[in-house]
Amino acid sequence: DIQMTQSPSSLSASVGDRVIITCRASQGIRNDLAWYQQKPGKPPKRLMYATSRLHGGVPPRFSGSGSGTEFTLTISSLQPEDFATYYCLQHNSYPRTFGGGTKVEIK
Amino acid sequence: EVQLLESGGGLVQPGGSLRLSCAASGFSFSSYALIWVRQAPGKGLEWVSGITGSDGNTYYAESVKGRFTISRDTSKDTLYLQMNSLRAEDTAVYYCAKDSTGEYWGQGTLVTVSS
Repeated sequence: DIQMTQSPSSLSASVGDRVIITCRASQGIRNDLAWYQQKPGKPPKRLMYATSRLHGGVPPRFSGSGSGTEFTLTISSLQPEDFATYYCLQHNSYPRTFGGGTKVEIK
Repeated sequence: EVQLLESGGGLVQPGGSLRLSCAASGFSFSSYALIWVRQAPGKGLEWVSGITGSDGNTYYAESVKGRFTISRDTSKDTLYLQMNSLRAEDTAVYYCAKDSTGEYWGQGTLVTVSS
């Protein structure tokens, strides 16, 4: 199975900050990576798939990059509604696997 | 509008069984892969199982292989997860989601395995 290592596990940031979250795959997954945002008590929402394709309605301050084994999710200017937990998922092979999550908290 | 509605969760004793359902609407059910993902209390997301759209091939996480069975009824646009030999560590909210990248998610159903 492909292991996904996400970092950091948590971070504190202020509104307006640039935030970068990283996911590393234990083997190459081409660009087959998705990102999700989850708020407490709610299901996850897909932000993007295939590394950088934005889900409909997701604001352009969210962007994704990477290929192979290393990927990043960037929030260019953190907004109050962005405080949440973020997860990556490799959708290259079965079984799919998630990263451990990154909790973005208010500084 | 895509909608996914899970049901069937509840309290079950260790070693027991449950069948979860996910009623889908708003898309061509048989054309898309569907997945089950779970989240234990206070923990991260765990991919559990998936079924492909075109040919209905099934896949499982190692943690549930041999105990859980995913299936679908295309006449009812409903996805199922049959869970047998349940363990305390299977306690979680179970979500179904459309396509292999989780394009849309249901609200989840809570499964509690406890004596």
